Amino acid sequence: DTAVSQTPKYLVTQMGNDKSIKCEQNLGHDTMYWYKQDSKKFLKIMFSYNNKELIINETVPNRFSPKSPDKAHLNLHINSLELGDSAVYFCASKSGRGMSDTQYFGPGTRLTVL
Amino acid sequence: AQSVTQLDSQVPVFEEAPVELRCNYSSSVSVYLFWYVQYPNQGLQLLLKYLSGSTLVKGINGFEAEFNKSQTSFHLRKPSVHISDTAEYFCAVSVAGGTSYGKLTFGQGTILTVHP
Repeated sequence: DTAVSQTPKYLVTQMGNDKSIKCEQNLGHDTMYWYKQDSKKFLKIMFSYNNKELIINETVPNRFSPKSPDKAHLNLHINSLELGDSAVYFCASKSGRGMSDTQYFGPGTRLTVL
Repeated sequence: AQSVTQLDSQVPVFEEAPVELRCNYSSSVSVYLFWYVQYPNQGLQLLLKYLSGSTLVKGINGFEAEFNKSQTSFHLRKPSVHISDTAEYFCAVSVAGGTSYGKLTFGQGTILTVHP
């Protein structure tokens, strides 16, 4: 009964391919996030959805497209993968749009682009 | 815009010794402050957070942090560490109010290594 789950855990692919990472939360939260952790462990937000509505869209290449089919799921699709996309991608969720609510993180997806 | 600086990238310490992990932030508006821990090959877990009120905040696993508004700091402390505390620790802020929707801005992380 994992709270925030991500699939796959590891993803190895060639440059130019298209791949998706899936995230699901069973906490009943209505806000979800994608963060990218680079090779230096620096964490940066990419996107956030609240009740299927995009509310945060940081400066991310158009090759990255989030999709939220319902409030329990937030998927990340990446087109034309590049070497620089190699990173660990974390999904997180929290209740509501409040600034103080705790975000719960998934275990991460380690993407390696060859 | 907000920024977070964790002053030490690595902190080695012996078991049962005290430890302090330093965090400074910059913001023109009020912020909420968080400390998260990341164990090897795992996601982030909240240790503690400061929202308002008492400046000394107690968290899980015996950690505490003190908010100092004048010094814009939020240092994390533990009086006696265990081997199991070996992990990476992240300080983060979110804007208190406005339309940031709880977006967290993270520091660069501090790797705490506890030696026997």
